[in-house]
Amino acid sequence: GAGVSQSPSNKVTEKGKDVELRCDPISGHTALYWYRQSLGQGLEFLIYFQGNSAPDKSGLPSDRFSAERTGGSVSTLTIQRTQQEDSAVYLCASSLAGSGGPPGELFFGEGSRLTVL
Amino acid sequence: SQKIEQNSEALNIQEGKTATLTCNYTNYSPAYLQWYRQDPGRGPVFLLLIRENEKEKRKERLKVTFDTTLKQSLFHITASQPADSATYLCALAHGSSNTGKLIFGQGTTLQVKP
Repeated sequence: GAGVSQSPSNKVTEKGKDVELRCDPISGHTALYWYRQSLGQGLEFLIYFQGNSAPDKSGLPSDRFSAERTGGSVSTLTIQRTQQEDSAVYLCASSLAGSGGPPGELFFGEGSRLTVL
Repeated sequence: SQKIEQNSEALNIQEGKTATLTCNYTNYSPAYLQWYRQDPGRGPVFLLLIRENEKEKRKERLKVTFDTTLKQSLFHITASQPADSATYLCALAHGSSNTGKLIFGQGTTLQVKP
């Protein structure tokens, strides 16, 4: 596709359920990021993938959060046993640069809005 | 601790005036800094990147400055228009090698009134 694609765009779930959020980055982009944005807040870094390197997971808020990137392309963010405080917009971004040099321009998806009841 | 601070209060200005937004950081040594625009319900969109050896960068009505001594970047929009109303985010790379992970400020909301 032409841009970063995220699905679902909206997800409502019950507390305690697991959710999976998907990100399709721009083809050829080696770097992929997940951020979380709560209402009226800034972007909170979650995890960063760069090529075949081990991901930087330093922003994941708890062990209920995990992410993988298959084949250097599509990424899935999984939240297990969701809590109400997990409610937020989850944004994915991809970038061409980053390996051994400064990150280039980030291209963001429109986000997945998660509501935990 | 490491911080990126942007004015959390909304900036309200009259159309045609210059808007100036501030990004301050502490305990980072970024080699460059980026600015993004975010409209409600949308993902951020890249605007400008400025490197540490560049004092100033311009793009159309936008101007960014980067003062590594003050640890501050200023973002200016000249001849502002109502369409410039949005939230503006600064971002910088975290880590001594300045590779990879971008950390964002909270953003400042700009409202341009006709």
